[in-house]
Amino acid sequence: QVQLQESGPGLVKPSETLSLTCSVSGASISSYYWTWIRQPPGKGLEWVGYISFSGATSYNPSLLTRVAISVDTSKNQFSMKLYSVTSADTAIYYCARLVRSNSQHFDQWGQGTLVTVSS
Amino acid sequence: QSALTQPASVSGSPGQSITISCTGTTSDIGSYNLVSWYQQHPGKAPKLMIYEGSKRPSGVPYRFSGSKSGNTASLTISGLQAEDEADYSCCSYAGSGTWVFGGGTKVTVL
Repeated sequence: QVQLQESGPGLVKPSETLSLTCSVSGASISSYYWTWIRQPPGKGLEWVGYISFSGATSYNPSLLTRVAISVDTSKNQFSMKLYSVTSADTAIYYCARLVRSNSQHFDQWGQGTLVTVSS
Repeated sequence: QSALTQPASVSGSPGQSITISCTGTTSDIGSYNLVSWYQQHPGKAPKLMIYEGSKRPSGVPYRFSGSKSGNTASLTISGLQAEDEADYSCCSYAGSGTWVFGGGTKVTVL
């Protein structure tokens, strides 16, 4: 059974960098695509970006200049950095597995972690 | 890249059928048969209910079905049950390795 677990600070100051890690168990990170999705309190889901098993990335155009996703195959983890955060980046951040090939959907999700941007 | 449009809320009585619409554009829903739907109970992570427009993952009840016409996708819940009360979000592939979600629809079982 695939399990994903997000970890990272719950509070980040404005203008600083938000850093999160997703630990994957039950599946090899080298065999799939992995993604970050966020949800501001009381609002809808927003796709942030993904990384492939080979390290290729794609990001939401609205976040392109501020986000970076990386993978550490030795630890079976992938991570996200969001730079120069503002209060608009306050959200629950989910990591998820992305199924590609002929399909494009997110089949396994972490429980999510709330990150608040505040001084 | 704009969010897909969903109604804020839909309600129905137990046993009834309800349909949630999800409207996009020719750049996303209209161009790809790659819409997925997610169920989210309060305080929980989203759960995949439909993928590729109409396919159900293993374990998802048959009462959940998906369809598409033009730039609009739909999720239908037949035989509504109390445990179906949740938020539902649609998502479409939008090309060039990007995805777009809808704003979410709150389903209330009366």
